[in-house]
Amino acid sequence: NAGVTQTPKFRVLKTGQSMTLLCAQDMNHEYMYWYRQDPGMGLRLIHYSVGEGTTAKGEVPDGYNVSRLKKQNFLLGLESAAPSQTSVYFCASSPTGGNGYTFGSGTRLTVV
Amino acid sequence: GQQVMQIPQYQHVQEGEDFTTYCNSSTTLSNIQWYKQRPGGHPVFLIQLVKSGEVKKQKRLTFQFGEAKKNSSLHITATQTTDVGTYFCTQAAGNKLTFGGGTRVLVKP
Repeated sequence: NAGVTQTPKFRVLKTGQSMTLLCAQDMNHEYMYWYRQDPGMGLRLIHYSVGEGTTAKGEVPDGYNVSRLKKQNFLLGLESAAPSQTSVYFCASSPTGGNGYTFGSGTRLTVV
Repeated sequence: GQQVMQIPQYQHVQEGEDFTTYCNSSTTLSNIQWYKQRPGGHPVFLIQLVKSGEVKKQKRLTFQFGEAKKNSSLHITATQTTDVGTYFCTQAAGNKLTFGGGTRVLVKP
């Protein structure tokens, strides 16, 4: 009964490096989301997906790309990391866009 | 997108006392969801309110949706140290949630 699993939990990148954050859910949810949270602030939506093979931009999509090739997985990519992308990244899923979301435990990313 | 405003931003509460946090919107909300995030943790879904005037309780937590569906409140009675964290209210609209800054609750033992 894992729910939403995010890997890795921690990562340090150098400016300009690339990486992919993986989100996996085992609840057969259609909707998946990527948020970022900066210290003392709320969550801001980066990208989301309303089903396998679909993606859409959120409020802060620049510098990120996503893919949803399988229903259970939602990948967040950083092509060329910048210090401004230092943040905690949360993945979430929901059976529909209007139900309660289940969040993963987060990925703490530092870009130096 | 539409955003609900939460007040207060910070709430210092003496253990054992009650407190209330509020969400306000200038427009009618279709629903309101509440989440709790412990320090260093991830948001956890608490409840969703949909009907005008709806009141729901979870042990010491009471959630209310205003009659005009423009505001909501979370009241916690007999605050405990386990209540520490940030409480977010948000509306699901357009298949996504937009979060505000939340209310950060600190409990003084």
